[in-house]
Amino acid sequence: QLQLVQSGAEVKKPGASVKVSCQTYAYTFSANYMHWVRRAPGHGLQWMGWINPKSGVTKYARQFQGRVTMTSDTSITTVYMDLVRLTSDDTAVYFCARGQLDSSDFEYLKDWGQGTLLTVSS
Amino acid sequence: SYVLTQTPSVSVAPGETATITCGGINIGRKSVHWYQQRPGQAPLLVVYDDRVRPSSIPERFFGSNSGNTATLTISGVEAGDEADYSCQVWDTDFDHPLFGGGTHLTVL
Repeated sequence: QLQLVQSGAEVKKPGASVKVSCQTYAYTFSANYMHWVRRAPGHGLQWMGWINPKSGVTKYARQFQGRVTMTSDTSITTVYMDLVRLTSDDTAVYFCARGQLDSSDFEYLKDWGQGTLLTVSS
Repeated sequence: SYVLTQTPSVSVAPGETATITCGGINIGRKSVHWYQQRPGQAPLLVVYDDRVRPSSIPERFFGSNSGNTATLTISGVEAGDEADYSCQVWDTDFDHPLFGGGTHLTVL
């Protein structure tokens, strides 16, 4: 059964960094891009970036460039999202999501991890 | 850049039909996808490619897309449908997914 299993909740102080993992099961890890999306309280879904797990090529949303790094480890079919210089605005639930090609050869997000709550507070 | 506009909230009584819209310039030329997010849960894909339902999604969920508006229609609304619904397209200018702001569906 296909699953995306994320690491547990984190509490960080402003200025700190966080690394969230997303371990995948029961599909060909290299076959799909993995996206990271967050949802902050009172806000909608916000795309952060994607990674090609096979090549390691990434693309980040402009808002996060310079602060986010996405990596993959094919040996354990896991992707990671690092976010540095945290502020209270980064308090949110972070999701990994498996991309799937749509009819226009772009992507939708077919399967989602359970989410990781990040709280940034002094 | 491209913008998707959703009404922040919609309320319907059980058994009625909920209509959730997603506005964007010439959105009818794009593939639109819809996600349901119940409180405390991960988003769930309910419609992709404008109108295709994943096998686990009931027929009550219907998508359409034309002109400047994509629509998710939920017929025979149930209490369990109370959730946030977000539309998504691909932003071809910046080569990434783009979400609407989301619509909260309240079942009265």
